[in-house]
Amino acid sequence: NAGVMQNPRHLVRRRGQEARLRCSPMKGHSHVYWYRQLPEEGLKFMVYLQKENIIDESGMPKERFSAEFPKEGPSILRIQQVVRGDSAAYFCASSPYRPRDEQFFGPGTRLTVL
Amino acid sequence: DAKTTQPNSMESNEEEPVHLPCNHSTISGTDYIHWYRQLPSQGPEYVIHGLTSNVNNRMASLAIAEDRKSSTLILHRATLRDAAVYYCIRRGSQGNLIFGKGTKLSVKP
Repeated sequence: NAGVMQNPRHLVRRRGQEARLRCSPMKGHSHVYWYRQLPEEGLKFMVYLQKENIIDESGMPKERFSAEFPKEGPSILRIQQVVRGDSAAYFCASSPYRPRDEQFFGPGTRLTVL
Repeated sequence: DAKTTQPNSMESNEEEPVHLPCNHSTISGTDYIHWYRQLPSQGPEYVIHGLTSNVNNRMASLAIAEDRKSSTLILHRATLRDAAVYYCIRRGSQGNLIFGKGTKLSVKP
């Protein structure tokens, strides 16, 4: 059973471009969480999704950020018009049955905005 | 909002036990205490969790104070591979993990 997969592992964008980060949860997992880790800081929750639904987006910046978890395919975190402050490691985690189950993390996508 | 407090860093010698403390004096009576760790350049990984009783698994032990205001993660024999940032965590209402700054554990050979 493959673990949580994220791609790309490294992404470089220029200011104003769009970044798309993908997360494939573990097989059978229907809960996906996205977290962001700024340099030298701890992880901060961004958004929690189940298939086709956003359950909690209280940690998402109000503008430029969006997330989806379609019925088929990976979860996508989309950042429009990136700025230097978006440079960070973005991790997704999945859990199987209930939101209070153990979360399994992917290796992260490291976004660098030039 | 309940908070967790951990020392910024700790050092250990290889093959010796390590006790990583966490204060969570305002945690609610039904909230589990979770521990995750993050090795360099990797995503976090689950270590252990508990509610009231002490818990053991193949990775570690978790000792929870009787009043639940604190807990201690115990690595019985530290190895170089245990060098990581250890997070004592509570969860939000929707199950999201609320990370603090964690304790950076260094293991000396």
